[in-house]
Amino acid sequence: GAVVSQHPSWVICKSGTSVKIECRSLDFQATTMFWYRQFPKQSLMLMATSNEGSKATYEQGVEKDKFLINHASLTLSTLTVTSAHPEDSSFYICSARVTGLYEQYFGPGTRLTVT
Amino acid sequence: DQQVKQNSPSLSVQEGRISILNCDYTNSMFDYFLWYKKYPAEGPTFLISISSIKDKNEDGRFTVFLNKSAKHLSLHIVPSQPGDSAVYFCAASGAGNQFYFGTGTSLTVIP
Repeated sequence: GAVVSQHPSWVICKSGTSVKIECRSLDFQATTMFWYRQFPKQSLMLMATSNEGSKATYEQGVEKDKFLINHASLTLSTLTVTSAHPEDSSFYICSARVTGLYEQYFGPGTRLTVT
Repeated sequence: DQQVKQNSPSLSVQEGRISILNCDYTNSMFDYFLWYKKYPAEGPTFLISISSIKDKNEDGRFTVFLNKSAKHLSLHIVPSQPGDSAVYFCAASGAGNQFYFGTGTSLTVIP
């Protein structure tokens, strides 16, 4: 149980274009999902907290207009990187929290490369 | 401001021996702690957790110890196996949803 999927697992896009990453909880409902970014050899950096039916809460320093988050249902959250730049290249990981529990279950991650 | 720290970036252990991974935190409001295991290019996998009301939690080969007064937790893996080779992150959580992750410790178990 508690499986989280991400799609795509790997994407290459050109600078200036937008990319959408999907995060799905496959066997449970998640009122809260999280988006993280991981730089090489660094820790996971929380970007935003996504709550179903309401606006996402962004961490300090994360541009909300650049990283659009939508949590349209209890099983799906999307992260759209708009007007991507090479410095946006990174490993993006989502997680979902089972309602009432502390544990977060992570997706497999999406490797974004902006050329 | 790194509220959760893993001061050892790497650790090598012989197969069959004990692996001890350490984690320190600064925020006394944290009340739940977790360990995650991560392979390259994959998302973290939940391993074991502990609430602040406990000082030990055991699950098979994995045991987490919490020392609240020292703001320190550790993960013990015994016996260590080559398949345990991965990066281990500790995480801490307080009243809110947010998890604070350490920088990870890369464990290598030598056959």
